[in-house]
Amino acid sequence: SQTIHQWPATLVQPVGSPLSLECTVEGTSNPNLYWYRQAAGRGLQLLFYSVGIGQISSEVPQNLSASRPQDRQFILSSKKLLLSDSGFYLCASLAGSVQFFGPGTRLTVL
Amino acid sequence: AQSVTQPDIHITVSEGASLELRCNYSYGATPYLFWYVQSPGQGLQLLLKYFSGDTLVQGIKGFEAEFKRSQSSFNLRKPSVHWSDAAEYFCAVASNNNDMRFGAGTRLTVKP
Repeated sequence: SQTIHQWPATLVQPVGSPLSLECTVEGTSNPNLYWYRQAAGRGLQLLFYSVGIGQISSEVPQNLSASRPQDRQFILSSKKLLLSDSGFYLCASLAGSVQFFGPGTRLTVL
Repeated sequence: AQSVTQPDIHITVSEGASLELRCNYSYGATPYLFWYVQSPGQGLQLLLKYFSGDTLVQGIKGFEAEFKRSQSSFNLRKPSVHWSDAAEYFCAVASNNNDMRFGAGTRLTVKP
């Protein structure tokens, strides 16, 4: 079975600062990978997905970007954070048409 | 476009009582259907899924869900709730691997 790691677990950043969140997956190869954001009291919003190295699809226009430098690594970035970027960020990996989720990163932008 | 509605934002039940969480979806065909559970500050854990076949599916932790095509529903049930079931529950639908939509979630509180 696969294991999904995310770090950091929590992050507090000032407005205008850069961001880098990392997701790595063990126990599988060439998975589809996903970044979601969960705002307080709301469901999950798909931000990006990737079907392979260097292949990124963006679902929502925003100041975030994603990259997939390695088969099992998925990175979420921003050059300048906004207050509205605060939330809980979840990485997911696809296995057998089911998405499995990592533990998440809590981002607070002040 | 597909969408998911969870009509109940918050539900409170007594420990030992039965539970039903509602989920309705909008989609032209039969999508893949899922229920996930999320404890505070944690990721989502899959409870069960429906792809095809028997419309009553069994999941982990004693949960089950029934797909009703005529009602476009996929309600989650448990006959006897335990205090450890307190969490947020999300229904999700997917038309393909890269298009999963989540409901807004239902927060379950369990009274002793």
